[in-house]
Amino acid sequence: GNSVTQMEGPVTLSEEAFLTINCTYTATGYPSLFWYVQYPGEGLQLLLKATKADDKGSNKGFEATYRKETTSFHLEKGSVQVSDSAVYFCALSLFYNQGGKLIFGQGTELSVKP
Amino acid sequence: GAGVSQSPSNKVTEKGKDVELRCDPISGHTALYWYRQSLGQGLEFLIYFQGNSAPDKSGLPSDRFSAERTGGSVSTLTIQRTQQEDSAVYLCASSFIGTGITGELFFGEGSRLTVL
Repeated sequence: GNSVTQMEGPVTLSEEAFLTINCTYTATGYPSLFWYVQYPGEGLQLLLKATKADDKGSNKGFEATYRKETTSFHLEKGSVQVSDSAVYFCALSLFYNQGGKLIFGQGTELSVKP
Repeated sequence: GAGVSQSPSNKVTEKGKDVELRCDPISGHTALYWYRQSLGQGLEFLIYFQGNSAPDKSGLPSDRFSAERTGGSVSTLTIQRTQQEDSAVYLCASSFIGTGITGELFFGEGSRLTVL
């Protein structure tokens, strides 16, 4: 079946630290990959995406590279800020351009301390 | 409206009662999704509507759960004879399916259901 596995949280970092949140997937096809973020008290919103192997998605200083050989899509940021504190969800979609549903990982809570 | 709107934002009910949760998607969006977010369970897909096609109900956990989408717009998720394990945040999302789309889902803020 199709599934997404993320590293468990919570992850606690000091401001300006380097962030990695691991994400691996299992898919029966060729998925598109996404990171969504949920800030406290807000709805989920798209952070970045990649639709084919070796694509790098990037936004707000975050990056993730679609690695087909390792079935991974790890999220990284070089220097986190307190405002990055949120829950991060890795997700995959098959046939996204046909409205394919998203399959999410469990979510990883990030807490950044000043 | 500007975003996906869900109501009620909070609902407390007694075990055995029926509840209805409403979702008003972004105008013009053809696809609508319901997810459930439980503590420790992540985001669980429930059901998906796309235009006039038959909905994908593969994620509904039991026959107590049903959903409809009227006129291709507003959707209602109904949970009959609620159980304590139904307590969760129910999220609605919409997207536009067509040429040049990004694949992005736009989520509402959710309806928090507590079953006592």
